Amino acid sequence: EAQVTQNPRYLITVTGKKLTVTCSQNMNHEYMSWYRQDPGLGLRQIYYSMNVEVTDKGDVPEGYKVSRKEKRNFPLILESPSPNQTSLYFCASRGGRVGEQYFGPGTRLTVT
Amino acid sequence: AQSVTQLGSHVSVSEGALVLLRCNYSSSVPPYLFWYVQYPNQGLQLLLKYTSAATLVKGINGFEAEFKKSETSFHLTKPSAHMSDAAEYFCAVSEGFNQAGTALIFGKGTTLSVSS
Repeated sequence: EAQVTQNPRYLITVTGKKLTVTCSQNMNHEYMSWYRQDPGLGLRQIYYSMNVEVTDKGDVPEGYKVSRKEKRNFPLILESPSPNQTSLYFCASRGGRVGEQYFGPGTRLTVT
Repeated sequence: AQSVTQLGSHVSVSEGALVLLRCNYSSSVPPYLFWYVQYPNQGLQLLLKYTSAATLVKGINGFEAEFKKSETSFHLTKPSAHMSDAAEYFCAVSEGFNQAGTALIFGKGTTLSVSS
């Protein structure tokens, strides 16, 4: 089954404790991205990757890092999480030219 | 720069009534347009997409949307609402694969409530 998977689905952590949210897709897509969803703000792009070893900032990259060492994986790293990073995070991948993206199930992160 | 405006953060309809969710976009080039649905505690699922072919696009679950260039709109409709349609709906625009970034720009979402 074609899908985007994320782990963990739920995470509660404390300020400053480094964490990684994993994302994997099995559709051989080149383009992958991370979004955060906040009430009243919709989805905003954090980082994206056009291909292996090619990443770039989205609209809200501060406080986040990403890496793309393999085509299928695109982890999101929070080196020193802060409470304002409490949010619902989605990973997505895209194949083809149109721009349609496939989303993972989401990771709900709470930073206390 | 691209942008999307969804008119009405919350829409309430009765079961069996027409559903109309409004979306207006801004784009400097012919856009690709999308509607996504998000059910509670789930990820986003593509409902339908416009990719410069037919202006009336049919999607899943009986939804459709019409691209109107003159009005820069891409409103989502369904003739008869069902309780299972209660969800949050997002309109999104993309300027295509070869544009730098080629992000999906999302509207802020419209929550649809359906009452019996």
